[in-house]
Amino acid sequence: NAGVTQTPKFQVLKTGQSMTLQCAQDMNHEYMSWYRQDPGMGLRLIHYSVGAGITDQGEVPNGYNVSRSTTEDFPLRLLSAAPSQTSVYFCASSYSFTRLDQPQHFGDGTRLSIL
Amino acid sequence: DQQVKQNSPSLSVQEGRISILNCDYTNSMFDYFLWYKKYPAEGPTFLISISSIKDKNEDGRFTVFLNKSAKHLSLHIVPSQPGDSAVYFCAATRNRDDKIIFGKGTRLHILP
Repeated sequence: NAGVTQTPKFQVLKTGQSMTLQCAQDMNHEYMSWYRQDPGMGLRLIHYSVGAGITDQGEVPNGYNVSRSTTEDFPLRLLSAAPSQTSVYFCASSYSFTRLDQPQHFGDGTRLSIL
Repeated sequence: DQQVKQNSPSLSVQEGRISILNCDYTNSMFDYFLWYKKYPAEGPTFLISISSIKDKNEDGRFTVFLNKSAKHLSLHIVPSQPGDSAVYFCAATRNRDDKIIFGKGTRLHILP
């Protein structure tokens, strides 16, 4: 009963370091997305994917890269970490973006601090 | 430019009374709306949704009302219970669009 699994749960980075946040789902969902949650800002969409090999930008894509080589995995890469990227990151998946009656399932988040 | 607005950052309600959480949107193309609930240190979980062809949808203690002319929706929780204390996010999308836009959230406190 895994659902959406995010690793790591916590991470501290220094400015300029790079890292990858992992996201995996075991529900054979087509649609996957990454959000960041900041105080007073709600959930903002970073990148999303409607299927393997297809990705697109959301509201706040700068400083992040994604790829979708398999249906199950959707990693988020920080190229050169900046303090402004300190946030809680959520990965989500759903059956298909065309099936609105199948809402998104979220992981429990990765809390990232950039010093 | 915020397309989905939740103007009340927090709301306190007595246990057993009705909780009403409000959400406004600016994009008239939105035609599907969702509410998510989030506890601390957990991811959001889906609560209830409504299509623009309806003006009301009920699921147990939760009812969502949609007023398309006012571009406004509200979530009613009756009766409110302690476990309802959480952050509630309103979200909106267009049919067959590939983005779901969230509001900033409202923190609901249920008082004993």
